[in-house]
Amino acid sequence: AQTVTQSQPEMSVQEAETVTLSCTYDTSESDYYLFWYKQPPSRQMILVIRQEAYKQQNATENRFSVNFQKAAKSFSLKISDSQLGDAAMYFCAYRVYNFNKFYFGSGTKLNVKP
Amino acid sequence: GAVVSQHPSRVICKSGTSVKIECRSLDFQATTMFWYRQFPKQSLMLMATSNEGSKATYEQGVEKDKFLINHASLTLSTLTVTSAHPEDSSFYICSASADFATNEKLFFGSGTQLSVL
Repeated sequence: AQTVTQSQPEMSVQEAETVTLSCTYDTSESDYYLFWYKQPPSRQMILVIRQEAYKQQNATENRFSVNFQKAAKSFSLKISDSQLGDAAMYFCAYRVYNFNKFYFGSGTKLNVKP
Repeated sequence: GAVVSQHPSRVICKSGTSVKIECRSLDFQATTMFWYRQFPKQSLMLMATSNEGSKATYEQGVEKDKFLINHASLTLSTLTVTSAHPEDSSFYICSASADFATNEKLFFGSGTQLSVL
């Protein structure tokens, strides 16, 4: 069974500081994608970053980067220089290559303190 | 990025009535569309997957006769909540993918808040 676990229901970070959100997943597949999605109060889901499992290099998108540990099945998101606009729910998601189903974690609510 | 339009954003209806939610891909052809349900402060629960021109595939526990999904064209999928009841009140989100074999990204609509009185 495919499962995605986010063990931190809620986290807080000071503006301009760095925060790391955790995600682990369970799979027997070797080819898959991992994603972090952001859901702000508007509830619009926004893709933050994605990682292909076959790539060893960690993905980065400006202030967002991931720490992908394939053997440990861990996929954490690091947000540097946190901004007030980063406050949102963050969902970790997984998808098997060439299979049309996404699995989402339970989400982590990120609060950014001014 | 690709745009998925979902309408209406909010709907209030009486118990026993049916409600239709539309999901359109505006600048790409969506071969696959997904419908999710999200309860307050919870994750997205996949309800069904629809491919253009074929019947939707429903997840276990989702009543296909209550949640009718139609994917009649490559740019439009609809979810009809039939004979809605208060327990159907929820936030419904659609998402779409252009070519699932090669495009791993999923684009989301802005969601529909359904309130059944």
